[in-house]
Amino acid sequence: DTGVSQNPRHKITKRGQNVTFRCDPISEHNRLYWYRQTLGQGPEFLTYFQNEAQLEKSRLLSDRFSAERPKGSFSTLEIQRTEQGDSAMYLCASSLPTGQGNSQFFGPGTRLTVL
Amino acid sequence: SQQGEEDPQALSIQEGENATMNCSYKTSINNLQWYRQNSGRGLVHLILIRSNEREKHSGRLRVTLDTSKKSSSLLITASRAADTASYFCAPGRASNTGKLIFGQGTTLQVKP
Repeated sequence: DTGVSQNPRHKITKRGQNVTFRCDPISEHNRLYWYRQTLGQGPEFLTYFQNEAQLEKSRLLSDRFSAERPKGSFSTLEIQRTEQGDSAMYLCASSLPTGQGNSQFFGPGTRLTVL
Repeated sequence: SQQGEEDPQALSIQEGENATMNCSYKTSINNLQWYRQNSGRGLVHLILIRSNEREKHSGRLRVTLDTSKKSSSLLITASRAADTASYFCAPGRASNTGKLIFGQGTTLQVKP
């Protein structure tokens, strides 16, 4: 399968614990995006990478959130000291550079439940 | 804002009927994309229409773009139960980030 993959698909954690999600983009895509989606809403942009550089972070991304893409391939999103409000679907997407249309390809998402 | 607003919020039709959903936006754009999301899944890119295009087709999908009215429409012809999903539009500007800003979407239910 050459699409975007995300792991784990589901994560249940207790408030205060740290969690880490992984995203493997389509191999030739140098852009990688993280979004968060709560029930009944559209996805909200969190951050994006071009290759290994994190070029933009949303104000939604508090200091408890950190994202990395160390080798310009896969990316991780870590949430420290999780809160119940962090419960959401976390979506990863990848694309070619904007000049080629920027159609984004989404992974299946990681559903986080914070108890 | 770059955000698209979809209308209606919910749409229920019978299989075989056509479904039309609309998207309005406020800023100038250089393209607009439509995505579909089945329940609990990731988004699937449906179609991208550039600002210099007025209409685009892909299978049973027809997208129109009216930049003077800052609006787009997505028409699904001969709908099927499998078309049941949420549909989102994402206006795109010529920015460096390419990030997408989504509205709440249109939830389409196609009854068999």
